[in-house]
Amino acid sequence: DAGVIQSPRHEVTEMGQEVTLRCKPISGHDYLFWYRQTMMRGLELLIYFNNNVPIDDSGMPEDRFSAKMPNASFSTLKIQPSEPRDSAVYFCASSGPRTSGGGLTDTQYFGPGTRLTVL
Amino acid sequence: AQSVAQPEDQVNVAEGNPLTVKCTYSVSGNPYLFWYVQYPNRGLQFLLKYITGDNLVKGSYGFEAEFNKSQTSFHLKKPSALVSDSALYFCAVRDLFTGGGNKLTFGTGTQLKVEL
Repeated sequence: DAGVIQSPRHEVTEMGQEVTLRCKPISGHDYLFWYRQTMMRGLELLIYFNNNVPIDDSGMPEDRFSAKMPNASFSTLKIQPSEPRDSAVYFCASSGPRTSGGGLTDTQYFGPGTRLTVL
Repeated sequence: AQSVAQPEDQVNVAEGNPLTVKCTYSVSGNPYLFWYVQYPNRGLQFLLKYITGDNLVKGSYGFEAEFNKSQTSFHLKKPSALVSDSALYFCAVRDLFTGGGNKLTFGTGTQLKVEL
């Protein structure tokens, strides 16, 4: 398996522009997580999905941020409009599925991240 | 709420010496604990986890972690450090109380620097 795939790897944009980050989870995984990492705040969980349904979006900083998962193999994180304080590295991670015994496979596997710079 | 604390922002150790990166946890019930490593400009990589069983857990790259229930700790250890071990290390605990999902709560990270 190629692991979690994220695109683009780097994004530079101007304040006010729309930014879309993309993620392809590991095939067969049923959980998908979006994180943001900055020097000031460390690693923050923004939102996570289970079976394509958003479960917890309490970490989404404000209405400018939105995330979707239209199918099991694709998710997007959109920022509209973007601001300089959104500059960070955004990670996608996936985990799962449940084991045959009903237990959870809870190890998360991270993508390489998207480094976003908003000027 | 479940949480982990990494009391050291940075740990310095000489190559060949043993290393310890500290983590303490606070949970309700049995803890599910993890260690991840992040190399520069890379995503986090899974090192090891404790679910149940032996208190000494062995993981990737020669790392191991010792679960200590009485001290609520889960310290990461390696008998002989390598320069290539220099990276950012995160401790994490699985949160069981948000819809039963696989959510992990991460610590603030500890920068390990191994010098010649």
